[in-house]
Amino acid sequence: GQQVQQSPASLVLQEGENAELQCNFSTSLNSMQWFYQRPGGSLVSLFYNPSGTKQSGRLTSTTVIKERRSSLHISSSQTTDSGTYLCAMEPGGSNAKLTFGKGTKLSVKS
Amino acid sequence: GALVYQYPRRTICKSGTSMRMECQAVGFQATSVAWYRQSPQKTFELIALSTVNSAIKYEQNFTQEKFPISHPNLSFSSMTVLNAYLEDRGLYLCGARDWGGAEQFFGPGTRLTVL
Repeated sequence: GQQVQQSPASLVLQEGENAELQCNFSTSLNSMQWFYQRPGGSLVSLFYNPSGTKQSGRLTSTTVIKERRSSLHISSSQTTDSGTYLCAMEPGGSNAKLTFGKGTKLSVKS
Repeated sequence: GALVYQYPRRTICKSGTSMRMECQAVGFQATSVAWYRQSPQKTFELIALSTVNSAIKYEQNFTQEKFPISHPNLSFSSMTVLNAYLEDRGLYLCGARDWGGAEQFFGPGTRLTVL
């Protein structure tokens, strides 16, 4: 079955609102990464966060291993935050093999 | 910094023909190189994983006969899509991992269109 469940599939916000994206995984975890996918398809690495909390500007990632979940929080969203966000996990023992979620399509309106 | 280049960025091929794409790690030595495909309306699927000192391992639904990979050194990998058909279209991404690290660095991808 699907090892990574990402939610929501899509999200529409007004500029200034906060966004919370979630990934739940069904197996043990070696690592977790969050990406932003540009319209052209290329991936921008936002966080490499196997555990704990990391912050970069308005973005915060929290991974709780024992609860098998990771979240990406976007505060004070801007229209330029619109796009697709993907989480990807490396299952325990998989040695560099990433399993991607299906993505969250975020639309921020002005 | 660690960068991954992919070439070409876009390509179009006729149905039944083959197409080769390349991936190069710059600024670091890749201990593993993974090829992924994102088909239209789908998420990324792992095609194959190549690690130092081990054979290239293909995922279910992907074979060496269809997607032969060459990984001659730690910095360079190439993959060919043989006899491409409509279901092979999509974005092909290469991800590489550095010594001592678990983070994967991705190239910009090669977008394949099959006519």
